[in-house]
Amino acid sequence: QKEVEQDPGPLSVPEGAIVSLNCTYSNSAFQYFMWYRQYSRKGPELLMYTYSSGNKEDGRFTAQVDKSSKYISLFIRDSQPSDSATYLCAMRPVNTGFQKLVFGTGTRLLVSP
Amino acid sequence: KAGVTQTPRYLIKTRGQQVTLSCSPISGHRSVSWYQQTPGQGLQFLFEYFSETQRNKGNFPGRFSGRQFSNSRSEMNVSTLELGDSALYLCASRPGTQETQYFGPGTRLLVL
Repeated sequence: QKEVEQDPGPLSVPEGAIVSLNCTYSNSAFQYFMWYRQYSRKGPELLMYTYSSGNKEDGRFTAQVDKSSKYISLFIRDSQPSDSATYLCAMRPVNTGFQKLVFGTGTRLLVSP
Repeated sequence: KAGVTQTPRYLIKTRGQQVTLSCSPISGHRSVSWYQQTPGQGLQFLFEYFSETQRNKGNFPGRFSGRQFSNSRSEMNVSTLELGDSALYLCASRPGTQETQYFGPGTRLLVL
């Protein structure tokens, strides 16, 4: 079983919908949680970064961490066609270097006009 | 500022050959990391270099190696290529003290 599980999708929604993307994990030592967006033929770009539990909001994006359930979510409000991309979750324990992130395999999101 | 650049963008090799991929980080960034991305395994950390020294290494065989030059540019080498090495190889750089790392577009390697 992988340390981080993520539904590969694709997830298809109409423009304006609220999107919920999720990851589950098994390592209770994970403390740093990130969401990356990857467009086709591009490298991932960091969207959201949270430490430990709780919520973090940035514009249309909200990241949520529930450590008791080992479950993290990314919500996108008022989704746009330009949000169509693959979304990767990533996480690491507090005692390892930032680069030793463990990634999910990514969820492909398609937002139709 | 220019972003992270990787060369070549696409590469086709045959089993048993070796390959060298290059990464130029964002100007001023001293840390360079390499990742392998495949549909089945996702993004997996290969290694990280900082000021020409390898600081972290992932769980890959010794056929995968890298180095960093004094100008922070980095190369990774894969020897004795196997079919399973077909993947997108991503390089990421960051300033020395920040969490945010910036990815390049990747080199897509196909091993036949």
